[in-house]
Amino acid sequence: SQQGEEDPQALSIQEGENATMNCSYKTSINNLQWYRQNSGRGLVHLILIRSNEREKHSGRLRVTLDTSKKSSSLLITASRAADTASYFCATYNQGGKLIFGQGTELSVKP
Amino acid sequence: GAVVSQHPSRVICKSGTSVKIECRSLDFQATTMFWYRQFPKQSLMLMATSNEGSKATYEQGVEKDKFLINHASLTLSTLTVTSAHPEDSSFYICSEKLSGAMNTEAFFGQGTRLTVV
Repeated sequence: SQQGEEDPQALSIQEGENATMNCSYKTSINNLQWYRQNSGRGLVHLILIRSNEREKHSGRLRVTLDTSKKSSSLLITASRAADTASYFCATYNQGGKLIFGQGTELSVKP
Repeated sequence: GAVVSQHPSRVICKSGTSVKIECRSLDFQATTMFWYRQFPKQSLMLMATSNEGSKATYEQGVEKDKFLINHASLTLSTLTVTSAHPEDSSFYICSEKLSGAMNTEAFFGQGTRLTVV
């Protein structure tokens, strides 16, 4: 079963704009991860944020985590057409299984 | 990051036949392998978790006799879809976790697009 929900399900923006995706989860976590999937391909790990962290940066990516609300957001700044992909958050459940959110399909138009 | 090689990337098979998908760790040893299934425009659904040298643990609703998983070594896990039907057509992805690593990033294969005709 899915660990949580993501919104929006789909997001279409112009190059140069920022893209924000949100993720909510249900159980307590040690960390939360964000992955990217290009169409028809495997997943690529983007960033991991630990439960005791509130914000983390990696290049044009910024991830926040609010454990009180059980939510996280991924911000991509100055988006590029090459950022077009699906983005998923994921957490480990108590059984040590990596469970994914519903995902956000991002389309960045040149 | 670690490299996981999954093949084939695409396979078309006839109904009733079996298809084997392989996932190989190229540069690390993975005691735990996750197998996922993904329908178009949907998220990844965990099918089973396999551990080297032991039987796989299947998620609720996944038929273990239909989706045979073998994790015979620390570097190779296979998923065999037996007696395939058109409804088994999907995207299958493997994922590995480093041995002894708790709650860290997972490394994914490239995925296999299975079409059953």
